[in-house]
Amino acid sequence: EVQLVESGGGLVQPGGSLTLSCAASGFSTNNYWMSWVRQAPGRGVEWVINLNHDGSVRSSVDSVKGRFIISRDNAKNSVNLQMNSLRDEDTAIYYCARELRRGGYINEGFDLWGQGTLVTVSS
Amino acid sequence: DIPVTQSPSTLSAFVGDRVTITCRASQSINDWLAWYQQKPAQAPKLLISKASRLESGVPSRFSGSGSGTEFTLTISSLQPDDFATYYCQHQGTFGQGTKVEI
Repeated sequence: EVQLVESGGGLVQPGGSLTLSCAASGFSTNNYWMSWVRQAPGRGVEWVINLNHDGSVRSSVDSVKGRFIISRDNAKNSVNLQMNSLRDEDTAIYYCARELRRGGYINEGFDLWGQGTLVTVSS
Repeated sequence: DIPVTQSPSTLSAFVGDRVTITCRASQSINDWLAWYQQKPAQAPKLLISKASRLESGVPSRFSGSGSGTEFTLTISSLQPDDFATYYCQHQGTFGQGTKVEI
């Protein structure tokens, strides 16, 4: 079955760190751009960060630049999100998502999502 | 990234109604726009990519149209399973969402 499963969420104090993991099955993450997308409680959806198929290109939303790092673990067919210097406003459900890029050069959508993992930043 | 703006934010409708949601971009994005459906406690689900391409398994009552700066998602005959929140997306930007309620 083609799926993504996130893990690693939890409660962390402001200024703390947390690492999320996204395990893929049914396909190889090496062949896709992969993203993390988040949704604060009761709010809309926000793209956070992504990584291209070979790990050479990364981009992120301005609010997490210098704090969040995305990486691959090829042996585990997974994608990780290391979150540092966490703030209250980072509280959200974090989804791992696969990017649809039929032509290879532009994001046409996110065609596969995990179930999400909740990150709560609070003292 | 080019911002996209959705309207309305909330829409009340009856089963069987034809429903239209609009998404506008601040400048031309050609046809690089996707639409999602999200139900409570679920991840968003991709319905339409490239403005009008219906994804596999999505009912044909859903359709997308538009290009440039103005796009629409249409549900031709609203079904009970369609009450949800809908988002448009271009690259790294999502619209604010439209909640379709009874």
